[in-house]
Amino acid sequence: EDQVTQSPEALRLQEGESSSLNCSYTVSGLRGLFWYRQDPGKGPEFLFTLYSAGEEKEKERLKATLTKKESFLHITAPKPEDSATYLCAVRSNFGNEKLTFGTGTRLTIIP
Amino acid sequence: DAGVTQSPTHLIKTRGQHVTLRCSPISGHKSVSWYQQVLGQGPQFIFQYYEKEERGRGNFPDRFSARQFPNYSSELNVNALLLGDSALYLCASSLDTGGEYFGPGTRLTVT
Repeated sequence: EDQVTQSPEALRLQEGESSSLNCSYTVSGLRGLFWYRQDPGKGPEFLFTLYSAGEEKEKERLKATLTKKESFLHITAPKPEDSATYLCAVRSNFGNEKLTFGTGTRLTIIP
Repeated sequence: DAGVTQSPTHLIKTRGQHVTLRCSPISGHKSVSWYQQVLGQGPQFIFQYYEKEERGRGNFPDRFSARQFPNYSSELNVNALLLGDSALYLCASSLDTGGEYFGPGTRLTVT
């Protein structure tokens, strides 16, 4: 069964303090790894899709990378508006079309 | 362009009742998925429909059912509601099997 583990559960950073969030996964053939941002009470907002080890994608202060076992979401010089829960999900080559999500990392950026 | 829309926004039901949740995908998207998210957890996959056919089903009881209409909108039905069905129900749409774009969700409370 596909599994996704995210760490840390929560992270507090000062504004401008760069860091990384981790997503470890176990999947029977990776068809895609997805990063989402979720604000309280709202639906997840799509950020990135990564398909193969070595792939990297960037958007503003965020950069996602992928290896065969894990993905990192690097946040450079974060601002308070980057505060949110960041979710990682995988889709397998086998079985149905579901996304399997981790429990997320709750990020707080302190001004 | 309009994103994924869901209705209603909030809903309060009593145990044993039935509920219907509705979703309109992004224009041009033919795939619709449903997820359940309880507080502090990542979304859990319920169903995916593509071109009106069920393409995937998660580990949810038969009380949960869904369908997709010719205009690609979708309904999620839950019968015989239990207290444990209280959650945020998310609808997501995609072109095919790429990144899924989520709606704002329907907050269901069962009393």
